[in-house]
Amino acid sequence: GDSVTQMEGPVTLSEEAFLTINCTYTATGYPSLFWYVQYPGEGLQLLLKATKADDKGSNKGFEATYRKETTSFHLEKGSVQVSDSAVYFCALTGTALIFGKGTTLSVSS
Amino acid sequence: ETGVTQSPTHLIKTRGQQVTLRCSSQSGHNTVSWYQQALGQGPQFIFQYYREEENGRGNFPPRFSGLQFPNYSSELNVNALELDDSALYLCASSLAGAQETQYFGPGTRLLVL
Repeated sequence: GDSVTQMEGPVTLSEEAFLTINCTYTATGYPSLFWYVQYPGEGLQLLLKATKADDKGSNKGFEATYRKETTSFHLEKGSVQVSDSAVYFCALTGTALIFGKGTTLSVSS
Repeated sequence: ETGVTQSPTHLIKTRGQQVTLRCSSQSGHNTVSWYQQALGQGPQFIFQYYREEENGRGNFPPRFSGLQFPNYSSELNVNALELDDSALYLCASSLAGAQETQYFGPGTRLLVL
């Protein structure tokens, strides 16, 4: 069945460092791909999405490109802030969202 | 525009009891999905409702059931609670269609003792 694999965390960075969180997927058909973020004690917020191959989703300095040839949707940000500390989930969609296990990001000043 | 809301925010129950969780969809959305998120894990799909009918179900037993009302709000009912049901329960609303974005509420944290 369809699945999502994310890099294991936690990821610990200093403020202004470059961030990459790897995400690969297995799916039949051509799903939409998403990154959601979860701040401590809260629900999930949509961060960005891409609906077809080679689409780039972007929001708040975060970017991810839908790569069909490598079945990947890696999340990147050029300069992280302390406020980016959260858990990040990669997901794909059919009827329901299928999530990865999440990657915890901790950014220190 | 009102976002997705859920109630209650927190709940404590004992094994064997029953619980009802509630969700109000974002304005204009006709589809509601429920997810269970155990501690340290990604959310797992429970089921989805569209126009008051179940439209898909994940790998959860029948003691997990739901309803959707004409105003598109929804309930999740869990009977015969088990300790492993302790989790954050998330509701998401969307327009119909597999490619539509789902928008999540803040969740209900359930603790079963």
